[in-house]
Amino acid sequence: ETGVTQTPRHLVMGMTNKKSLKCEQHLGHNAMYWYKQSAKKPLELMFVYSLEERVENNSVPSRFSPECPNSSHLFLHLHTLQPEDSALYLCASSQDALYEQYFGPGTRLTVT
Amino acid sequence: DAKTTQPPSMDCAEGRAANLPCNHSTISGNEYVYWYRQIHSQGPQYIIHGLKNNETNEMASLIITEDRKSSTLILPHATLRDTAVYYCIVRPSPKGSSNTGKLIFGQGTTLQVKP
Repeated sequence: ETGVTQTPRHLVMGMTNKKSLKCEQHLGHNAMYWYKQSAKKPLELMFVYSLEERVENNSVPSRFSPECPNSSHLFLHLHTLQPEDSALYLCASSQDALYEQYFGPGTRLTVT
Repeated sequence: DAKTTQPPSMDCAEGRAANLPCNHSTISGNEYVYWYRQIHSQGPQYIIHGLKNNETNEMASLIITEDRKSSTLILPHATLRDTAVYYCIVRPSPKGSSNTGKLIFGQGTTLQVKP
C-alpha cells in the first residue's frame, strides 16, 4: 500500500465511449503524474501536475485529457480512444518535483 | 538527460545477495541515481537513490563508483518476492525551472529469484 489509489483497476471500453480514470493520493504530496505502460515498452510519462498546475504535457494526443481539481486528486478523461491506447495507466505522486515518486497500482485499460 | 544501461535479465538464488549493475557514463555532476522496481502487474516501487556516496536503507544498498559512471544495487538476502523488473534511472537535475520531476524509464533488468 503506497498511499496512492487508482480506480477502476480494470476498464474495457469501446472506441466511441467516454470514460475517466481516477487517482487519489493520501500522502500530502504536491505533484502528481500520469504514466502509460504499453506491452513490452518502457513506462512513458504523459502529464505532470505541480500544485494543481500542469507543468508538462509529453506530446499526448488530445483524446487524453487530464484534470487536477486539487492536490489530492488527478483524473484522466478518455474519449474516442484507439485500440493501440490499450495499456496500463499509472498514477504517481511526490512531495514535490525533487523527491521520489510513489505509484498507484494502475488501471488496466482495454480499448475494443 | 543521462541514459542508463542495464543487463536485460539476471538470476539469483533465494537467500543470496543480488547485485544489479547499471552504467550511466554520461551522468552529470548534479544528477542523482534512482532505483525503482516493478513487480508483475503492480505499479513501480521506489527503492533507493544517491548522488555520490553509498546509501543503505531497509530495502537495499546502493554503491556508486567514485567516477559516478556506474552503480550497483544490492539486495542483501534476496527472496522470491524480490522477483521483479529493476529500473536504474538518472534523475534530471533538480536545479533550474525546467525540472518537472520527470522520470525516464528504460527496459530495466528482470531479476528472477529462484528457490
